[in-house]
Amino acid sequence: AQSVTQLDSQVPVFEEAPVELRCNYSSSVSVYLFWYVQYPNQGLQLLLKYLSGSTLVESINGFEAEFNKSQTSFHLRKPSVHISDTAEYFCAVRTNRDDKIIFGKGTRLHILP
Amino acid sequence: EAEVAQSPRYKITEKSQAVAFWCDPISGHATLYWYRQILGQGPELLVQFQDESVVDDSQLPKDRFSAERLKGVDSTLKIQPAELGDSAMYLCASSPPGGLRSNEAFFGQGTRLTVV
Repeated sequence: AQSVTQLDSQVPVFEEAPVELRCNYSSSVSVYLFWYVQYPNQGLQLLLKYLSGSTLVESINGFEAEFNKSQTSFHLRKPSVHISDTAEYFCAVRTNRDDKIIFGKGTRLHILP
Repeated sequence: EAEVAQSPRYKITEKSQAVAFWCDPISGHATLYWYRQILGQGPELLVQFQDESVVDDSQLPKDRFSAERLKGVDSTLKIQPAELGDSAMYLCASSPPGGLRSNEAFFGQGTRLTVV
């Protein structure tokens, strides 16, 4: 069975500083990987996804994530964060065997002024 | 833009009462998921439907929880009786038909349940 580990429950970072949110996964078969963002009392919104091809994927709001198969990681990065990026971020994995989507426990990104 | 609809957005109920949540997925999405998200944690899959059939309910507490998707479209999740520990956000999501497993799940706004 697949699993997802988000190594940091909270990440404080100053505004305009870079940030990396870590995600590692475990699966015996090929996977699709996702990052979702959740604002308070809202559902989850897709931020970006890795399906195949280029291992570096980007979102429209400046986030990027790199799939590293050897390290089974899919870390999320942004070179310069803004107050509006304050949210909870969830890494998720889906295999090509079934339709189950498994989430990590989430990382709360806290932007300091 | 098509969305997953959930109702109600908020629900307060007394323990031992029955409560139900409704979800209408994006039209044409065959896969429907119900997740429970306890405050400060990630979503936990409760049940997964493919059309009207349950394909995974291994994490659903079947002594008090039930879920149905009778016509393979909208779905209802019920809790009876509710317990204090059921307080959480209940999220519904849907995904396009099988064969497109590379697609993400689309989430509704969720139902915030508080059991008092």
